[in-house]
Amino acid sequence: AQKVTQAQTEISVVEKEDVTLDCVYETRDTTYYLFWYKQPPSGELVFLIRRNSFDEQNEISGRYSWNFQKSTSSFNFTITASQVVDSAVYFCALSEASTGFQKLVFGTGTRLLVSP
Amino acid sequence: DTAVSQTPKYLVTQMGNDKSIKCEQNLGHDTMYWYKQDSKKFLKIMFSYNNKELIINETVPNRFSPKSPDKAHLNLHINSLELGDSAVYFCASSPGDSASGNTIYFGEGSWLTVV
Repeated sequence: AQKVTQAQTEISVVEKEDVTLDCVYETRDTTYYLFWYKQPPSGELVFLIRRNSFDEQNEISGRYSWNFQKSTSSFNFTITASQVVDSAVYFCALSEASTGFQKLVFGTGTRLLVSP
Repeated sequence: DTAVSQTPKYLVTQMGNDKSIKCEQNLGHDTMYWYKQDSKKFLKIMFSYNNKELIINETVPNRFSPKSPDKAHLNLHINSLELGDSAVYFCASSPGDSASGNTIYFGEGSWLTVV
């Protein structure tokens, strides 16, 4: 069965520190997608990135970067030079070909607190 | 120009009541969903609809009945509300196109409190 594990429940950093949020997944499918979503204190869920199982290239978008490693079934998310506005709960999620990519399985989330 | 909009945002109601949450998307997507986030922030799918047809029903009590009048709308009706139904309910939509990974976009959530 598919599963997403975010072992870090809460991380606290001071502004400008770099922080990495870990995500480990389990799936029997060879074709799947991995996602990160951000849930700020206001409560909405914001899509950040999608990565398919055949593309292990790392991705950078501004201060955000993602490291996908199939060998360790991990899809980690790094924020460089964190800012107070990065404070949120971050969710890693998985969807599989066997469900027609119609079902997102979420991890339990990591709460990031960035203090000034 | 909210892409996925749901109403109401906040709802406080008594046990035993019946309530509905409405959802509309203007993204032209074929697939819509309801997800539930419990008090521990755990997110889980409840239903998915593709072009008004129920695709996923994830062992949700039959007190919860989704209704899709057209592919841009997916409403959630809940009968005989119980304390345990208190949660945040997220509506979402996606293209339904597996080639693009079928990225799911969420509404802002509806905070339901049953007292």
